[in-house]
Amino acid sequence: EAQVTQNPRYLITVTGKKLTVTCSQNMNHEYMSWYRQDPGLGLRQIYYSMNVEVTDKGDVPEGYKVSRKEKRNFPLILESPSPNQTSLYFCASSLRGPYGYTFGSGTRLTVV
Amino acid sequence: GENVEQHPSTLSVQEGDSAVIKCTYSDSASNYFPWYKQELGKGPQLIIDIRSNVGEKKDQRIAVTLNKTAKHFSLHITETQPEDSAVYFCAGGGDMRFGAGTRLTVKP
Repeated sequence: EAQVTQNPRYLITVTGKKLTVTCSQNMNHEYMSWYRQDPGLGLRQIYYSMNVEVTDKGDVPEGYKVSRKEKRNFPLILESPSPNQTSLYFCASSLRGPYGYTFGSGTRLTVV
Repeated sequence: GENVEQHPSTLSVQEGDSAVIKCTYSDSASNYFPWYKQELGKGPQLIIDIRSNVGEKKDQRIAVTLNKTAKHFSLHITETQPEDSAVYFCAGGGDMRFGAGTRLTVKP
């Protein structure tokens, strides 16, 4: 089944403890992206990747890192999480460019 | 950058009625306008999209219309059913900005 898989689905952590949210797609998509969803703000792009080893900032990149060493994987790294990063995170992929995304099921992160 | 405004933020309709959600955008160079449906506990799912060289597109009970002059596009759902209840997002612009979402409730 064609899908985007994110892990974990739920995560509660403490301020400053580094964490990684994994994202993997099995559709051979070139484009991958991370979004955060907050009430009343819709989905805001954090980082995106046009292809392997090519990443760029979205609208809200502060406090996040990404890497794209393989085509299928696009992990989101929070080196020192803070409470304002408490949110619902989605990974998305598409064949080429931000057109017709397939989204993962989401990761609900709480930073206390 | 692109601004995408979506309204209404909430919409409640009776089963069988039609629902319309509207979005406006600011970047006249925008050429792709998707609509996503997000059910509770799930990620958004693409339901329909339209490119700027087309004024209207239909897929069964859903349709999207685009007015490039006025820079707005709309999602139309006819004969609504309870399973249409969800949050709907529009998006647009070269950097694919999303609207804030519309929570649609269809009452049986």
